[in-house]
Amino acid sequence: DGGITQSPKYLFRKEGQNVTLSCEQNLNHDAMYWYRQDPGQGLRLIYYSQIVNDFQKGDIAEGYSVSREKKESFPLTVTSAQKNPTAFYLCASGTLQCESSYNEQFFGPGTRLTVL
Amino acid sequence: GENVEQHPSTLSVQEGDSAVIKCTYSDSASNYFPWYKQELGKRPQLIIDIRSNVGEKKDQRIAVTLNKTAKHFSLHITETQPEDSAVYFCAASLGSARQLTFGSGTQLTVLP
Repeated sequence: DGGITQSPKYLFRKEGQNVTLSCEQNLNHDAMYWYRQDPGQGLRLIYYSQIVNDFQKGDIAEGYSVSREKKESFPLTVTSAQKNPTAFYLCASGTLQCESSYNEQFFGPGTRLTVL
Repeated sequence: GENVEQHPSTLSVQEGDSAVIKCTYSDSASNYFPWYKQELGKRPQLIIDIRSNVGEKKDQRIAVTLNKTAKHFSLHITETQPEDSAVYFCAASLGSARQLTFGSGTQLTVLP
């Protein structure tokens, strides 16, 4: 469904633990993004990456880290420094090809993280 | 950075009536405005989008209008059906990575 997958679907973490959320896409998209969604709120950008081995902070990067070692993969680590990590995390990807100056983003199914 | 405001936060309409959701954006350099529909617990799905060089776009019962001068755009759904009930998000695209800034969402309820 859309060629972008996230795992796990549900994740439970104890306070003080780091956890890593997986995001994979087979759409050959250049750009990948991580968003956080809290109940009744919109999506807020955590990190994004335009190319392998490069990424930039979004609006709420504190307490999170990412890597982009492969074009297809963009894992997100929620560290113990994130004070309120319970949320729905969505990964997205999009093309940055020159012939298209616009970017339709496709979303993965999301990971629901709960801190116990 | 970009800021997107969306209104109303909740909207209830009778089946068959029209629904309108409005968004404003702050950065005149934004050039792409998608609308997403999100059902409970699911991923956002793109339902329609509009580029900055177009004033209006229609796809069956859904239409989007863009006023670049006023920096606002709107989603119009006609002949609403119960399956249209969901949360709708607007967004604006800006930057070399074409990152999106989202509005806070509108919970649309279509009453049978």
